[in-house]
Amino acid sequence: DAGVIQSPRHEVTEMGQEVTLRCKLISGHNSLFWYRQTMMRGLELLIYFNNNVPIDDSGMPEDRFSAKMPNASFSTLKIQPSEPRDSAVYFCASSRTQGHTEAFFGQGTRLTVV
Amino acid sequence: GENVEQHPSTLSVQEGDSAVIKCTYSDSASNYFPWYKQELGKRPQLIIDIRSNVGEKKDQRIAVTLNKTAKHFSLHITETQPEDSAVYFCAASRTNAGKSTFGDGTTLTVKP
Repeated sequence: DAGVIQSPRHEVTEMGQEVTLRCKLISGHNSLFWYRQTMMRGLELLIYFNNNVPIDDSGMPEDRFSAKMPNASFSTLKIQPSEPRDSAVYFCASSRTQGHTEAFFGQGTRLTVV
Repeated sequence: GENVEQHPSTLSVQEGDSAVIKCTYSDSASNYFPWYKQELGKRPQLIIDIRSNVGEKKDQRIAVTLNKTAKHFSLHITETQPEDSAVYFCAASRTNAGKSTFGDGTTLTVKP
């Protein structure tokens, strides 16, 4: 398995534009996490899915952020409209809910909003 | 919900010395405690984990200890090397709950 795959690796966009980040889970994993990492705030959990269902979205900063899981292996995180303060590295991670719950992280997407 | 506190936030040691990072958690039902290492510009990756049915686990130069009564667990790195320099995160979760709560991270610098 290639691990958790995120795209794009880097994204530079202008303020006000829509940004879509993508994540492919490891086969057999049924929990999906979106994290945001900045120097100021560290590693923040934005939203968590289990079996395609959002379980906890309390970390989503505001209505400009939305996340979907259209199937068991794929997820998107959308920011619309984007703002400079959204600049961060966004990580997607997946795990098996049952038993061993190590989270496997993707390579991350470095988002810069100018 | 779970709250995980991690100390210190930064740690600097000489090569060959030991490093200890400590975490406390609040949810007595937590029973899975992983540690992740994040090198500069890379993703967090698991380096060791421990479950609540054991008090200590060791893997070469890395060990983790768990005190369930006091609700704290620690990462011990012996004979540190420059390549150990990274940010280390502790986390806590309940098996079958899926979600881990992370500490704020410790930046370890090993001076050659």
